[in-house]
Amino acid sequence: RKEVEQDPGPFNVPEGATVAFNCTYSNSASQSFFWYRQDCRKEPKLLMSVYSSGNEDGRFTAQLNRASQYISLLIRDSKLSDSATYLCVARESGYSTLTFGKGTMLLVSP
Amino acid sequence: NAGVTQTPKFQVLKTGQSMTLQCAQDMNHNSMYWYRQDPGMGLRLIYYSASEGTTDKGEVPNGYNVSRLNKREFSLRLESAAPSQTSVYFCASSEAGADKNIQYFGAGTRLSVL
Repeated sequence: RKEVEQDPGPFNVPEGATVAFNCTYSNSASQSFFWYRQDCRKEPKLLMSVYSSGNEDGRFTAQLNRASQYISLLIRDSKLSDSATYLCVARESGYSTLTFGKGTMLLVSP
Repeated sequence: NAGVTQTPKFQVLKTGQSMTLQCAQDMNHNSMYWYRQDPGMGLRLIYYSASEGTTDKGEVPNGYNVSRLNKREFSLRLESAAPSQTSVYFCASSEAGADKNIQYFGAGTRLSVL
């Protein structure tokens, strides 16, 4: 069974802190990776895709380590509005379906 | 564009009742998906439709049926609801063939089966 594993948290951090999440995936055939964000009682929304070379979008940086089969998300200068659950997602090459992790909860406090 | 629209937003059923959850997308996407999300279980794929005219089982298809009515619409039917089907249901769509297969989600249907 394909699995994506995440630490459920919660991660409690103060505003302005830097926080990092990791997730691991079991299917070595996975080719595409994403981080989705899900606010309480809302639908998941794409935060960013994860590229092999690593990528940055403002305060967010995603990294992929294929050899160790893990993906990371780094959030710098945390804002109250970053409080959410972050879902790690993988897709196997040639398939249209995604495998979602159970999510890591982040709580940013004043 | 509305994106992915799900109806109803909330529903309460009695055990044994049937109902259909509706989903429509206006992004001209080929692929559509139905998930359920339960506490501690994450998102689990029920059924998907890679393209109009095709449907396939996902991880947890038992107790559900789907219909890809046309390119825009993908419905999920519970023929005889059970308490174990109490969950939040999300519909999603994506552009088939796109390398990254980014999925866009509807706002969800919160279903309680008593």
